[in-house]
Amino acid sequence: DVKVTQSSRYLVKRTGEKVFLECVQDMDHENMFWYRQDPGLGLRLIYFSYDVKMKEKGDIPEGYSVSREKKERFSLILESASTNQTSMYLCASSFTQGNNQPQHFGDGTRLSIL
Amino acid sequence: GNSVTQMEGPVTLSEEAFLTINCTYTATGYPSLFWYVQYPGEGLQLLLKATKADDKGSNKGFEATYRKETTSFHLEKGSVQVSDSAVYFCALAFNDYKLSFGAGTTVTVRA
Repeated sequence: DVKVTQSSRYLVKRTGEKVFLECVQDMDHENMFWYRQDPGLGLRLIYFSYDVKMKEKGDIPEGYSVSREKKERFSLILESASTNQTSMYLCASSFTQGNNQPQHFGDGTRLSIL
Repeated sequence: GNSVTQMEGPVTLSEEAFLTINCTYTATGYPSLFWYVQYPGEGLQLLLKATKADDKGSNKGFEATYRKETTSFHLEKGSVQVSDSAVYFCALAFNDYKLSFGAGTTVTVRA
């Protein structure tokens, strides 16, 4: 089974801090994604990557950056955390071949910014 | 742009009741359509999918048919169980691997 592992289930940080969320997948997937999940809004794509060192902006990239130095690891960075970034963050990965390939999700990191 | 609209929840049902969650989409072209499910405390997992018009996806007693004429992909289950309590997301994708999600529908099944 595909395993997508997010480094923390719960995280509490302070306004202005630089925050790192880590995600690792073990299935040699080319694509990796970061979403945030908020009630009534579903999942919104922050950034995605289709190859090592490649990244593309999603629908809501402002205030975030990403890093993909190795194929299995995709990091989300909050450069200067703000309270409106309090949310559930979900990482996902998938193969490249065609649009039929499902995305596999981690269990999420619930981030609170105080 | 592409978008997905789901019926609003929450939905509360008794065990063995019939479940329908409506999903319609707006897209240029013909996307693949998906239903994902999120059980409490977990990430999302794929429930079923359909890649072209009139395809029916099915899994765990759930079904959904890709209706091009009505741009819909409604999820149905004939007899729900308490273990079906979860949040259900409808989503679409084209060849760029990105998913566009609906807002999600929370379903609670009571014994």
